[in-house]
Amino acid sequence: QVLLVQSGAEVKKPGASVKVSCTASGYTFTAYYMHWVRQAPGQGLEWMGMINPSGGSTSNAQKFQGRLTMTRDTSTSTVYMELSSLRSEDTAVYYCTRGGSGWYGEFDYWGQGTLVTVSS
Amino acid sequence: DIQMTQSPSSLSASVGDRVTITCRASQGISDYLAWFQQKPGKAPKSLIYAASSLHSGVPSRFSGSGSGTDFTLTISSLQPEDFATYYCQQYNSDPRTFGQGTKVEVK
Repeated sequence: QVLLVQSGAEVKKPGASVKVSCTASGYTFTAYYMHWVRQAPGQGLEWMGMINPSGGSTSNAQKFQGRLTMTRDTSTSTVYMELSSLRSEDTAVYYCTRGGSGWYGEFDYWGQGTLVTVSS
Repeated sequence: DIQMTQSPSSLSASVGDRVTITCRASQGISDYLAWFQQKPGKAPKSLIYAASSLHSGVPSRFSGSGSGTDFTLTISSLQPEDFATYYCQQYNSDPRTFGQGTKVEVK
């Protein structure tokens, strides 16, 4: 079965960076895009960006331009989301979610989420 | 960016009720519309894609309809496990955007 397993919770200071991993299993890793979505406490869902695990190309929301880096390691079927210059507003649960096989595909499976807390 | 507006923001209902949630896009998105269910402390669960197609394992009491700018999620007979928050999302263009959510509560 398809599984997305994310790394554990993180506590970071303002200005630092955080790197969250998402390890996929149960399907051909390079055949589906992977997206990152976050949710601040008590708030709704916010799309951050996506990566094509096959070639490594990425696209991200303008809001995160210059701060968001998404990479992948095909040898371990893992995608990474790194957010830099953290501020308190980045405190949120971060989810990876599998997209379709094409650029505009639907989300189906989700990781369990990773809580990132930014606090001095 | 395409704005997604859900209504209502919350509703109170009883087990067995028929529940309808609407989602409006600020511009046409064809049928590139998905619905998700989220329970407190849990990851979202994908319910519907392409406006009306159910993901595998989703009960048939859930249905979706619409195209263009106006969409609907219907739960034909609300079950105890359906009390949750529901989100719509467009994936017609980047950035992908979500509605603000509709919380379905116990009446």
